[in-house]
Amino acid sequence: GENVEQHPSTLSVQEGDSAVIKCTYSDSASNYFPWYKQELGKRPQLIIDIRSNVGEKKDQRIAVTLNKTAKHFSLHITETQPEDSAVYFCAASREYGGSQGNLIFGKGTKLSVKP
Amino acid sequence: DTAVSQTPKYLVTQMGNDKSIKCEQNLGHDTMYWYKQDSKKFLKIMFSYNNKELIINETVPNRFSPKSPDKAHLNLHINSLELGDSAVYFCASSLLYTRYTFGSGTRLTVV
Repeated sequence: GENVEQHPSTLSVQEGDSAVIKCTYSDSASNYFPWYKQELGKRPQLIIDIRSNVGEKKDQRIAVTLNKTAKHFSLHITETQPEDSAVYFCAASREYGGSQGNLIFGKGTKLSVKP
Repeated sequence: DTAVSQTPKYLVTQMGNDKSIKCEQNLGHDTMYWYKQDSKKFLKIMFSYNNKELIINETVPNRFSPKSPDKAHLNLHINSLELGDSAVYFCASSLLYTRYTFGSGTRLTVV
């Protein structure tokens, strides 16, 4: 089955700096890669997703890149703000994949943005 | 209107008890899930239901059983609770296996 590795486990940056979180996946058939943000005591919430037919996607200060050959994808947050502090999870799955369609999550990255 | 709602939000119970957690979604999604988040924040899938059919069952003890009366509901029943079952349990739903929406979680504490 799919296995998703995520690094780093913790990341501390100064406000205004950029943050990068990297993930690798094992199943070459995976084609859907979302990122979730979980604030303390809250539910995971989708912030951006990318499909394997796209190499990069941006949404304001957030961008995700995908390298299918290397089986890795990354989350980039620019101009970080204290409210970006949270745990970020990457995930992978096969869209329309039946039993292989369940999201498998990385272990999370705790991002701290210092004012 | 909450998209995915689960109850209760907190559950404290003694070892050996049986308990249930309820989940409902009003998004018209076709698949529902249960995830367990342990103390290290790792999100691990437990079950998923699609069109009232269980389509995956990870290595979860058979003390855990999902029950889906209809497409909008997926309840989790746990028998003979153990200390190691303490965690936050999240219900989620999706359409065509993308863009999962999570419920607010149930913090289960077994004492």
